[in-house]
Amino acid sequence: AQSVTQLGSHVSVSEGALVLLRCNYSSSVPPYLFWYVQYPNQGLQLLLKYTSAATLVKGINGFEAEFKKSETSFHLTKPSAHMSDAAEYFCAVSDGNYGQNFVFGPGTRLSVLP
Amino acid sequence: DAGITQSPRHKVTETGTPVTLRCHQTENHRYMYWYRQDPGHGLRLIHYSYGVKDTDKGEVSDGYSVSRSKTEDFLLTLESATSSQTSVYFCAISGVEGNTGELFFGEGSRLTVL
Repeated sequence: AQSVTQLGSHVSVSEGALVLLRCNYSSSVPPYLFWYVQYPNQGLQLLLKYTSAATLVKGINGFEAEFKKSETSFHLTKPSAHMSDAAEYFCAVSDGNYGQNFVFGPGTRLSVLP
Repeated sequence: DAGITQSPRHKVTETGTPVTLRCHQTENHRYMYWYRQDPGHGLRLIHYSYGVKDTDKGEVSDGYSVSRSKTEDFLLTLESATSSQTSVYFCAISGVEGNTGELFFGEGSRLTVL
C-alpha cells in the first residue's frame, strides 16, 4: 500500500522568499512521484514528476523537487516566491500501474505575502 | 490541455434527487477516473474505468455508480443525492504520457445538495 504525507496544511512565505513544501511517501515498490498545483476554482495541473531518471526534477514555473530515497521524501522548492504561486499543492505517489494505485497527499495551501 | 470536459460545472440540487455528472475526453485514453475533493481530505477516488463497460470501485464508492458506454464518456451518477455528497468532483484520465501513470484533470464540477 502506498501513502503520502504533507507536512503543513498551510504555508505562508513572503514574496521573494524560498518556498519549501514537504512531501514524504510510503511505497513498497519503486515509486513514481508527482506534484500538482491547483489554483482557485480550477482543476489540478501537473507541476513535475519523478520517474526514476534524475533525482532532481525541474518543473514548470521555476519549481523543482528532489527525490531522496533514504529519506522517502520528495520536497518541492522554488528559490523565490511570486504572488502568482499562491495555490494549493498536492504531492502524489504511484506504482506506475493504472487504476487505484495513484494516491494523493492531503495538500498544502501556499500563501504568498507582499 | 488534456482534452477533458466536465458537465455541468455547477449544480444545486435537493436531497433525494438523482444527479448525473458527465466527463468527456478527446484523447481516446483507456483509463478514466472520478474523484471528489473535500477540505481536509484531499482527493479521494470514487470509481474508475479501464475500458468500455469495465469499471471498478475506489475508496469512497458508496452512493455512487458509474457507466462507460463509449471510450470518450464516463458518467458518474448519484442515485439519490445526500448532503454528504456536496463536493467538488473531478474527472481524470491517464495514459497520456508513457507508462508513469500520471493523471490529467478536468476543471471540476461543483455539486451542492440542499
